This record gives sequence, structure tokens and C-alpha cells, in this order.
Amino acid sequence: EAGVAQSPRYKIIEKRQSVAFWCNPISGHATLYWYQQILGQGPKLLIQFQNNGVVDDSQLPKDRFSAERLKGVDSTLKIQPAKLEDSAVYLCASSLSGRPYNEQFFGPGTRLTVL
Amino acid sequence: DQQVKQNSPSLSVQEGRISILNCDYTNSMFDYFLWYKKYPAEGPTFLISISSIKDKNEDGRFTVFLNKSAKHLSLHIVPSQPGDSAVYFCAATYNQAGTALIFGKGTTLSVSS
Repeated sequence: EAGVAQSPRYKIIEKRQSVAFWCNPISGHATLYWYQQILGQGPKLLIQFQNNGVVDDSQLPKDRFSAERLKGVDSTLKIQPAKLEDSAVYLCASSLSGRPYNEQFFGPGTRLTVL
Repeated sequence: DQQVKQNSPSLSVQEGRISILNCDYTNSMFDYFLWYKKYPAEGPTFLISISSIKDKNEDGRFTVFLNKSAKHLSLHIVPSQPGDSAVYFCAATYNQAGTALIFGKGTTLSVSS
């Protein structure tokens, strides 16, 4: 079974530039999550999708971050414009359904460096 | 306000000995707890979990203990192996929050041979 795919793996940009990350979840997984992991911290949920609908985006900085999952499969996360504090690893995860306690499978992450 | 705390940033253990990783939480509504393991340049992978109706769950060399009154859980690895060297994250969730996981900062375990 293929795992969660993410691209790119690494990205370096200057502040005020835009960047987009892509995630392809495990086939058949209805729920998709984007987490931000700042160095020395644990992952923090940014947004959760159930199919193509948003379940939770309470911690997404909506003035600069946006995410979509148009066909209920793959997803993109965008930052525009980027700030220095956005330097982090962005992790995508998926699970079979939105039911509690379903195991979440994580992708390898995209490491973003904002200069 | 950190709801899940891992107060030890790092732990060093010799191969064959027991590794004990600790985690404290503040939110009494949490009813499911998980441990994830993370190698460099990889995403976290699920290791073991425990429901709040239990106080112990075992899977091979890994055992998680939950003390609800103390709001404390621990992960025991016996015997420790060099391949266990990784960052271990404690996470918690509760039904009303859907499936969002709230993670601690992680503990880096180093197992020397």
C-alpha cells in the first residue's frame, strides 16, 4: 500500500514570497490533515478535511494560509506571503474516516525555510 | 498553554536496558492517548495507543501506562535497541475534538550499543 505522498520535500524562499505544498493521501482515506511542525515543537494541526469539506481550520492563519481539497483526494496548502516564522516542516496525514481514534498516517513532510 | 507536555527533551539508554519516556497532560477531557515515533526526514509513525478506560497496553517490547488521576502516561521500551533511537511524540485527543491530535514537544531517545 502506497503511503502519503508530499512534494516538494524541501523549499527555500524569501519572506513575502508565495509557496505551495502538495499532498496525496492514502487511497480511500476520507480524512486529510495538514500539520505544522516548528523546530523543537510537536506537530500542530492547521486544517482538517473530511472528503472535500473543512472540518477544523481554527488554527489556520487565514490571512496568509489557504488550503483546498477540491475533489476529495489530493490537497494543496499555500502560504502567501510567507513570513520568517513560517519556517517549519509541513506534514500531511490521512486517515480512513473522521471517526475518533482512526490511525493517522503521515507523509515525509515538506521542510520550508523562509529567509 | 501546552495541553500535552513532555518535559524531558532527551534520554540516553544503553542497549538492552529499559527506556521510559514520560508525558503529562492537563486537559481532563482527553480520553485517548498515542505515541508516535519519528526518524529524521520521515513523518511520524504510529507506535502504540491507550484508551482512558485502560491503565496499560502492551505491544511486543512497547508498553504504555496511563495514570488518569495524575494525568500522566509513560512509554516503556524493553529491551531497548539501537534502532529505537528516534524522537518520540506523545499525543492526545478526545471525541468532541473530532480526530485532531494534540502533540507534545517530543523526547529524543538515543540507544547506544
